[in-house]
This record gives sequence, structure tokens and C-alpha cells, in this order.
Amino acid sequence: DAKTTQPNSMESNEEEPVHLPCNHSTISGTDYIHWYRQLPSQGPEYVIHGLTSNVNNRMASLAIAEDRKSSTLILHRATLRDAAVYYCILLRSYNTDKLIFGTGTRLQVFP
Amino acid sequence: EAQVTQNPRYLITVTGKKLTVTCSQNMNHEYMSWYRQDPGLGLRQIYYSMNVEVTDKGDVPEGYKVSRKEKRNFPLILESPSPNQTSLYFCASNRLAGEAGELFFGEGSRLTVL
Repeated sequence: DAKTTQPNSMESNEEEPVHLPCNHSTISGTDYIHWYRQLPSQGPEYVIHGLTSNVNNRMASLAIAEDRKSSTLILHRATLRDAAVYYCILLRSYNTDKLIFGTGTRLQVFP
Repeated sequence: EAQVTQNPRYLITVTGKKLTVTCSQNMNHEYMSWYRQDPGLGLRQIYYSMNVEVTDKGDVPEGYKVSRKEKRNFPLILESPSPNQTSLYFCASNRLAGEAGELFFGEGSRLTVL
């Protein structure tokens, strides 16, 4: 199964952009790249996903490298509410469905 | 409101006493799964179900059972709980198995086995 590698922790100041990296060098052609985040004492929450092209939604942007071996989640203006653990996950788009979460990146946001 | 509901949210039990954690979703989703979360290990998949009567093992299925008799419910059964099953458990659902998109998670069930 393809694995992802993320830094254990990152820090940001409020109102600044945050770039959260993820390496997935063994990604296969049918793997979608998903990002979830988990706020303290809550279940994981979907953020964004993509396959090959960069994606934007109201929460964040996802930049995917041309070779798809890495991706970056971009929070354009961090708020205190964005402090969470961010998980980069690969989802294989055929019949079986095994989601593998790594240990994620803990993002701290300072006022 | 679209949601995944787990019960109980908190439970303390003793070794060997069978228990069931229920999970229900109101979105008519085909795919449901269970995860456990332990410090330093992230989330690990226990079992998943691609539809009614279709279940399969995830990465850490030992000591657990599941059933999917109806689409909305996916209970997690611990026939003989042991202390190493003390963990935070999450149920999740997705519209279709293998479909890229949003996986909906419940709020979690914190289980302590003494």
C-alpha cells in the first residue's frame, strides 16, 4: 500500500499562509490524494482531495506535483481555528477501499 | 442534517465483558468503516463494509467483529475485550466504496478496558 510522509509539526502565525507538505513517492495512477484534519476532541474532517490537477475550495487549496510524488495543502490565511492535526491520505479508486492514515502534521497557529 | 452517530461516546468496561459500539449514518451511504486512534499511531482501519452483507478486514481486525445487516448501521463488536483495545474509535461513511470525496466521521467513542 502506498504510504505518505508528513512532518510531525509545523507552526504559523494567524493571518499568514501555511503550506503543509506531503510526500507519496509510491503513489499509483489510480490513487486520489485526500486531506483531512482533526481538531482536538473531534473526528477527522474532510478538507480537500485531488487526482492530478490543483484544486481549490472554500477551505484550502491543494497543489499536486507534476509527477504526483508530493502534494501541498495550502491554507491561505491561517486562523486559530485551523490549529489541528492534518492528515494526507491516498485513496485507491478501485473496488477495495483501504484508507491508510499516517500520523499527520500537527499545526500550531499563534495569535 | 447529514451525520454519523456513534454510541456510546464514552465507556469503561472490564476484560472479557462483551460490548458493542453502534454506528449509524443517515446519508444512505454504501461504504462504512471503523478506525481506532492511538497516541503516536494515527488512525488505523479495523474493518470496512462496501455494502450490506459485504465486510472486509482492515489493518488491525484482531479482536473485533462487525456486521452490516442494513445499510445505515455498522456496529463494532468486541466479543472479549482486552486492555490493549483501550482506544478512541471512529466510524466513518462514504457515498460509494472507492469513490474519491468526503468521508464522514462520527464524533468518536472512547473505550477503556480495565
